[in-house]
Amino acid sequence: DAGITQSPRYKITETGRQVTLMCHQTWSHSYMFWYRQDLGHGLRLIYYSAAADITDKGEVPDGYVVSRSKTENFPLTLESATRSQTSVYFCASRWQNYGYTFGSGTRLTVV
Amino acid sequence: AQTVTQSQPEMSVQEAETVTLSCTYDTSESDYYLFWYKQPPSRQMILVIRQEAYKQQNATENRFSVNFQKAAKSFSLKISDSQLGDAAMYFCAYRINQGAQKLVFGQGTRLTINP
Repeated sequence: DAGITQSPRYKITETGRQVTLMCHQTWSHSYMFWYRQDLGHGLRLIYYSAAADITDKGEVPDGYVVSRSKTENFPLTLESATRSQTSVYFCASRWQNYGYTFGSGTRLTVV
Repeated sequence: AQTVTQSQPEMSVQEAETVTLSCTYDTSESDYYLFWYKQPPSRQMILVIRQEAYKQQNATENRFSVNFQKAAKSFSLKISDSQLGDAAMYFCAYRINQGAQKLVFGQGTRLTINP
């Protein structure tokens, strides 16, 4: 039962570069979410998806792009990375009224 | 918009003692869930306990219990007989029971256990 796999676990990138964080679930949960975790802010929702090809903005979507062509994958792309996007990124999924499952997170550093 | 506030950035407790972490939230909804998540240094998000708003009885999971005060919009977590493995970041979260049922998190409380 692998659950949610995020890759990479750590990433260092330069300002202005495009970077994609991957998220893969082994089930077929309808809902998937991307959060960023920053000290003093907890986790904040970036984007979420209700199903394949259905995505919507969360609280802090600026500078990010998502896609969901397949139910099991929900990649997050930073189109032109900025230092303010240095953070820990979590992917999560939810099925109906059951609980959430979180990935192990990706620590992204933008230099 | 719903908000969740954890006013204690850091807490510490002696091993085997009891500690209470505070959480307040703001919502106009009546049907929702509240959660406490634990995040150890491994970064994994671990569900500790959850409470359904329509249930008056406070949830309990072994050494973890909550004090849910719906009218006051308060949801504190009590950890009894604290153990070294309880050291972690704790997040309070809220979820409305409609639509995407997104989780809204508080800022987190870092709990240190002193041996």
